[in-house]
Amino acid sequence: ETGVTQTPRHLVMGMTNKKSLKCEQHLGHNAMYWYKQSAKKPLELMFVYNFKEQTENNSVPSRFSPECPNSSHLFLHLHTLQPEDSALYLCASSQDSRAGMGGDEQFFGPGTRLTVL
Amino acid sequence: QKEVEQNSGPLSVPEGAIASLNCTYSDRGSQSFFWYRQYSGKSPELIMFIYSNGDKEDGRFTAQLNKASQYVSLLIRDSQPSDSATYLCAVKRAGGFKTIFGAGTRLFVKA
Repeated sequence: ETGVTQTPRHLVMGMTNKKSLKCEQHLGHNAMYWYKQSAKKPLELMFVYNFKEQTENNSVPSRFSPECPNSSHLFLHLHTLQPEDSALYLCASSQDSRAGMGGDEQFFGPGTRLTVL
Repeated sequence: QKEVEQNSGPLSVPEGAIASLNCTYSDRGSQSFFWYRQYSGKSPELIMFIYSNGDKEDGRFTAQLNKASQYVSLLIRDSQPSDSATYLCAVKRAGGFKTIFGAGTRLFVKA
């Protein structure tokens, strides 16, 4: 275990549903990330939070809404998703997202496998 | 040109051999370089990180970085069947928040 937990591990939702993904890190890190991993495609960075402040929004559609109430918790609120949003959603954390000499290596949670019907 | 390029493989090596995984990147401002291993159905697991030109060794793994050639590699010595996985190269600009991942190289170690 990496010290990063995600719930739920699997989620099936309809296009009109609203659901939330939760991530919690127990590593004392200051930066948290959401990634999307689709079949046959590289990991896509969605959002980055550093000390609770959003520092990256990688042109993510507004049907994905992140929330970071503190440095240990990260949520991804989902609404009116499309079938092409079905993917593995990964949360990660790092000590600092900006260090170039150490501390910016990321540790991933187990992911949430999302299926949109 | 992709920002981080990896040969998708599969790369097949016999047990006990050295597996060599390669990655090139386009941004000359990149300062942090990472290798992750991802088993099928699992999340990425950090193997190595390297920041300076040259080699960095950790057990059976050696990361090699050549910033002039914009090239980073991972060598796995004494490859084991349990090393069979997809290896992801990731690159980050110092001071930036964004990490760019390659599509990964599938490695298959034959027993």
